[in-house]
Amino acid sequence: NAGVMQNPRHLVRRRGQEARLRCSPMKGHSHVYWYRQLPEEGLKFMVYLQKENIIDESGMPKERFSAEFPKEGPSILRIQQVVRGDSAAYFCASSPTGSDSPLHFGNGTRLTVT
Amino acid sequence: RKEVEQDPGPFNVPEGATVAFNCTYSNSASQSFFWYRQDCRKEPKLLMSVYSSGNEDGRFTAQLNRASQYISLLIRDSKLSDSATYLCVAPYLDSASKIIFGSGTRLSIRP
Repeated sequence: NAGVMQNPRHLVRRRGQEARLRCSPMKGHSHVYWYRQLPEEGLKFMVYLQKENIIDESGMPKERFSAEFPKEGPSILRIQQVVRGDSAAYFCASSPTGSDSPLHFGNGTRLTVT
Repeated sequence: RKEVEQDPGPFNVPEGATVAFNCTYSNSASQSFFWYRQDCRKEPKLLMSVYSSGNEDGRFTAQLNRASQYISLLIRDSKLSDSATYLCVAPYLDSASKIIFGSGTRLSIRP
């Protein structure tokens, strides 16, 4: 049973470009969470999605960031017009039933904005 | 008050020592709690769940104190390989149920 798959592992973008981060949850998991981690800091909640629904996006910046989890295919975290401050590790996690079960994390995508 | 709060450390202890961390949470409705371990530049991995009755797994013991709203992690006979950052998790049970991580406690075990 494959774990949570994130790609790409590393992504380099110039300022102003778009970054698209993908996450395929574990088989049977319909709850997806995205977190951002800056160097030497903790995991910051960004968004919680279920299939075709955004449940909680209270941690997402109001502009430039969006997330989706379509009926078919991976969850996508999209950052438009990236800035240097967007450089971070972005982790995706999934669970089968939401908050009462532990999260399984992907390896993360390390975004570098030059 | 932060939703989930941990002492950032670092805790620097000798091999074989016993070390304990606490984590406080603000949402009294939270039901399920977990401890994760994160090694440098890696993804967090589940260490153990925290049950109301406490939970022990080998050298690791987790406890929940609902009255004071904190969870604890005790590591006995610490090994060099226990060096990592330990994250506590408390689901924030409002209408949306996001899952909040503490900022982590860094543990360094010295020979």
